[in-house]
Amino acid sequence: KQEVTQIPAALSVPEGENLVLNCSFTDSAIYNLQWFRQDPGKGLTSLLLIQSSQREQTSGRLNASLDKSSGRSTLYIAASQPGDSATYLCAVKKDKLVFGAGTILRVKS
Amino acid sequence: DAGVIQSPRHEVTEMGQEVTLRCKPISGHNSLFWYRQTMMRGLELLIYFNNNVPIDDSGMPEDRFSAKMPNASFSTLKIQPSEPRDSAVYFCASSTRTDLNYGYTFGSGTRLTVV
Repeated sequence: KQEVTQIPAALSVPEGENLVLNCSFTDSAIYNLQWFRQDPGKGLTSLLLIQSSQREQTSGRLNASLDKSSGRSTLYIAASQPGDSATYLCAVKKDKLVFGAGTILRVKS
Repeated sequence: DAGVIQSPRHEVTEMGQEVTLRCKPISGHNSLFWYRQTMMRGLELLIYFNNNVPIDDSGMPEDRFSAKMPNASFSTLKIQPSEPRDSAVYFCASSTRTDLNYGYTFGSGTRLTVV
């Protein structure tokens, strides 16, 4: 059974800092890995999708990496802003999408 | 594309009542997923469909829950009778199975409160 773990559970940083969110999964036989953002009381917004054959994807200040063999992914956020405050969820896909518990990020101005 | 559309956005009902949640997936997507999110358990997959056929319903908590997908553009999740512990946010998502590397798109969710 696939299990996805996200570390840390919560993170508070001052504005402008670069930060890394970690995701690990137990079954490396995945098709892709997706990072989502969820604002309080809202739905899930897809941030980045990394195919199993890829090593990383970038979108603006976000960079996600994937090491499938070791079952790890990181989401790097450069020059963090208060608007980045949200819960970040990692999910891996084979037949179905399995989510981690998320990292609650707070960026202080 | 309007994305995945869920209705209602909020539902408050009394214990014992029947609740029906609705989802319209993205046109052309042939996989549909129902998730439940709570503070205690995070996001849990309840059931998913491929080409309107239920593939895995092992996440459905008990017989009070049922889901249908009568056609490619509509799905329902029904709870009968509802209980306070069913209070959660229910998300629907769709994807295309023809490309296994394709990502998921989520709806905005239905916040269910059972009193």
